[in-house]
Amino acid sequence: AQSVAQPEDQVNVAEGNPLTVKCTYSVSGNPYLFWYVQYPNRGLQFLLKYITGDNLVKGSYGFEAEFNKSQTSFHLKKPSALVSDSALYFCAVRDKGKGGKLIFGQGTELSVKP
Amino acid sequence: NAGVTQTPKFQVLKTGQSMTLQCAQDMNHEYMSWYRQDPGMGLRLIHYSVGAGITDQGEVPNGYNVSRSTTEDFPLRLLSAAPSQTSVYFCASSSTGGNLNEQFFGPGTRLTVL
Repeated sequence: AQSVAQPEDQVNVAEGNPLTVKCTYSVSGNPYLFWYVQYPNRGLQFLLKYITGDNLVKGSYGFEAEFNKSQTSFHLKKPSALVSDSALYFCAVRDKGKGGKLIFGQGTELSVKP
Repeated sequence: NAGVTQTPKFQVLKTGQSMTLQCAQDMNHEYMSWYRQDPGMGLRLIHYSVGAGITDQGEVPNGYNVSRSTTEDFPLRLLSAAPSQTSVYFCASSSTGGNLNEQFFGPGTRLTVL
């Protein structure tokens, strides 16, 4: 079965420092991976996706993610964190079965302090 | 475009009551889905639809019904509400492409079952 795991419930970063939100996956074959962000009392917003090609994927709001097949990881990164980046981040993998639904990790709360 | 809209935003039910959560999208998306979000559990898929007249079960379908009579609308029905259905419900849609395209999420419905 396809799955993703986000090993950290919370990540704390100082404003201006680089941030990393971790995600590992378990998928048979080539994975289709996604990152979404949820701001308080809002729905999820798409950040970026990896389907194929370059292992470094660039997305919205200055975020990028690195696909690492040997480590089965898809970590979300940003060179310089902003207080406004504080939110809940979800990693997801597309299920290879019928319908191609998304399977989400449990989420990581990112807190960026001034 | 309004995107994905959900009504109501908040709802309180008593155990055993029934209700319908409304979801509509104006992007002509074929794929629509319902998720529930519970603390520490990420998003779990309830039901999904790959087009009008076609629906299928997700990870946690028990106690919920759906129908897709039009491309735009995808209502979720709670047949007999239970406290375990207290959650935040999100509707999402995407264009076809095997769900490789980003999903657009509604703002959510916060449901409390007493």
